[in-house]
Amino acid sequence: ETGVTQTPRHLVMGMTNKKSLKCEQHLGHNAMYWYKQSAKKPLELMFVYSLEERVENNSVPSRFSPECPNSSHLFLHLHTLQPEDSALYLCASSQDRVGSYEQYFGPGTRLTVT
Amino acid sequence: SQQGEEDPQALSIQEGENATMNCSYKTSINNLQWYRQNSGRGLVHLILIRSNEREKHSGRLRVTLDTSKKSSSLLITASRAADTASYFCATELYGNNRLAFGKGNQVVVIP
Repeated sequence: ETGVTQTPRHLVMGMTNKKSLKCEQHLGHNAMYWYKQSAKKPLELMFVYSLEERVENNSVPSRFSPECPNSSHLFLHLHTLQPEDSALYLCASSQDRVGSYEQYFGPGTRLTVT
Repeated sequence: SQQGEEDPQALSIQEGENATMNCSYKTSINNLQWYRQNSGRGLVHLILIRSNEREKHSGRLRVTLDTSKKSSSLLITASRAADTASYFCATELYGNNRLAFGKGNQVVVIP
């Protein structure tokens, strides 16, 4: 596989629940990303971390809260989500944020909000 | 918008045929990348072509880049059933370093 793992692979949660998505990369990369993939829409970049520092937040609602405790781990904390938040959430990493580097993606977490 | 727009959006071909898909974008880029995604899975990087390059090959894949037309093409030669997937182009914007993805191009290879 790609060296980027995500758990859980599937998650069903109610609108009042709190849950967290986890991403781990074993590639020694310095940059990590959260993307949202909805049907028939381009991949949406949510957050970018570089060396554990959040460097980009693309107008994501506060009900999504990222955390990067170290360069190998990335979390996405979820609370009071809406049904339109149902999507595939993809984590990715790259050698660095700056420069022409490809991104390595995890398998994704399929989130359903009921 | 800046993200790449793939064309055609859906393609169905017989095994052994070549598959060609195109990507157009609107502003200056550092590089353009192609990714593949099998159903419900993560994206897999295929090829990165820099703005000063015109063509790259990787196995059965050939990518071209025409910065004057702001377009790229991905050619898969001698397609296989395992090539069935969605293909995305992504542009790394000049001065920005973020990747902007298109909506993807669904390719079905019929055995």
